[in-house]
Amino acid sequence: KQEVTQIPAALSVPEGENLVLNCSFTDSAIYNLQWFRQDPGKGLTSLLLIQSSQREQTSGRLNASLDKSSGRSTLYIAASQPGDSATYLCAALLYSGGSNYKLTFGKGTLLTVNP
Amino acid sequence: DGGITQSPKYLFRKEGQNVTLSCEQNLNHDAMYWYRQDPGQGLRLIYYSQIVNDFQKGDIAEGYSVSREKKESFPLTVTSAQKNPTAFYLCASSIRVSNYGYTFGSGTRLTVV
Repeated sequence: KQEVTQIPAALSVPEGENLVLNCSFTDSAIYNLQWFRQDPGKGLTSLLLIQSSQREQTSGRLNASLDKSSGRSTLYIAASQPGDSATYLCAALLYSGGSNYKLTFGKGTLLTVNP
Repeated sequence: DGGITQSPKYLFRKEGQNVTLSCEQNLNHDAMYWYRQDPGQGLRLIYYSQIVNDFQKGDIAEGYSVSREKKESFPLTVTSAQKNPTAFYLCASSIRVSNYGYTFGSGTRLTVV
């Protein structure tokens, strides 16, 4: 059974700091890994999608890496801003038999960026 | 703009009552999903559908039902058999059930009163 773990559960940093959020998964046979952002009471916004054949993806101040062999992904946020405050979720897509795939989520990291 | 629309944003259910959550997408995606989110837990899959008129149970399907009569719509009914329905419900879609990213709606918060 695939398990996805995110560390730390919560993180508080001053504005302008570079930071790294960690995600680990137990089954390395993933098809892709997706990072999402969730604001309080809102839905999920997709940030980055890394296919299994890729090692990283970048979007603006965000960079996500994927190391399947070690079962890890990291989300790097450069020059953090108060507007980055949210919960960040990672999710790993795994083949589950037949024509079925399953997306397994971590519990998220609650990020607070202080002005 | 293309996206997923969930309604209502807030829903209140009385004991023993069935309620239906709406999910509509205009992304022309084949696959649609329903997740439940509880505080301190990751998202859990309730049901998913790969094509019209077909759907599969997820990890926590008991007490829920779905239909997929149109490609754009995937409503979720929370029945009276669901004993702890208070949660945040999220609908998602993807091009198909394979190696593609998911797009999520804004969610419906259901509370039992």
